[in-house]
Amino acid sequence: DQQVKQNSPSLSVQEGRISILNCDYTNSMFDYFLWYKKYPAEGPTFLISISSIKDKNEDGRFTVFLNKSAKHLSLHIVPSQPGDSAVYFCAARPNNAGNMLTFGGGTRLMVKP
Amino acid sequence: GAVVSQHPSWVICKSGTSVKIECRSLDFQATTMFWYRQFPKQSLMLMATSNEGSKATYEQGVEKDKFLINHASLTLSTLTVTSAHPEDSSFYICSARYRDVSGNTIYFGEGSWLTVV
Repeated sequence: DQQVKQNSPSLSVQEGRISILNCDYTNSMFDYFLWYKKYPAEGPTFLISISSIKDKNEDGRFTVFLNKSAKHLSLHIVPSQPGDSAVYFCAARPNNAGNMLTFGGGTRLMVKP
Repeated sequence: GAVVSQHPSWVICKSGTSVKIECRSLDFQATTMFWYRQFPKQSLMLMATSNEGSKATYEQGVEKDKFLINHASLTLSTLTVTSAHPEDSSFYICSARYRDVSGNTIYFGEGSWLTVV
């Protein structure tokens, strides 16, 4: 049973436009959410996170929105740049399991020049 | 940000041999590290939680006698794949918890490609 789902395996966006990556979760015990960017054959790079007590967190071009009632979060990248092309993973952490992360399946973002 | 380093980045070994992968937190102490495995085009799957000075906690379905984890110091955890088989070929990634002013952030190593021939 996948507790964290990223239903779009890929997304293609034009440079300069907004990229919106979505993530849904089922476990109501999750209280902290993170987004990672990953290039092939490299480890994930932390991008941005959000606690369940917030509904929005912004860092430069990256904004994460959390809708707890819908168990849905999204990552907005604006403006999108070709260098943003990578696989993006959302991850969630339950409030009773230390820092073990459950990852979604990933979404491959392609930003076209 | 905090740095987590893995070594080696790439390793090829013969079937039946053992391989050790190191995970180091370079500029912070990590009482807890995590080992993940990623198959091609799939997500990262948690294998085990490595606790400094105590036994690792393995996820269901992960053979603890095959994937030996040692967390001997606050900056080093090792994963040893014993009696490796071709199906163990995968991308192995470690992570460590870093306590910063905003709370806890998990940083990942660069990953280690293991190919068993």
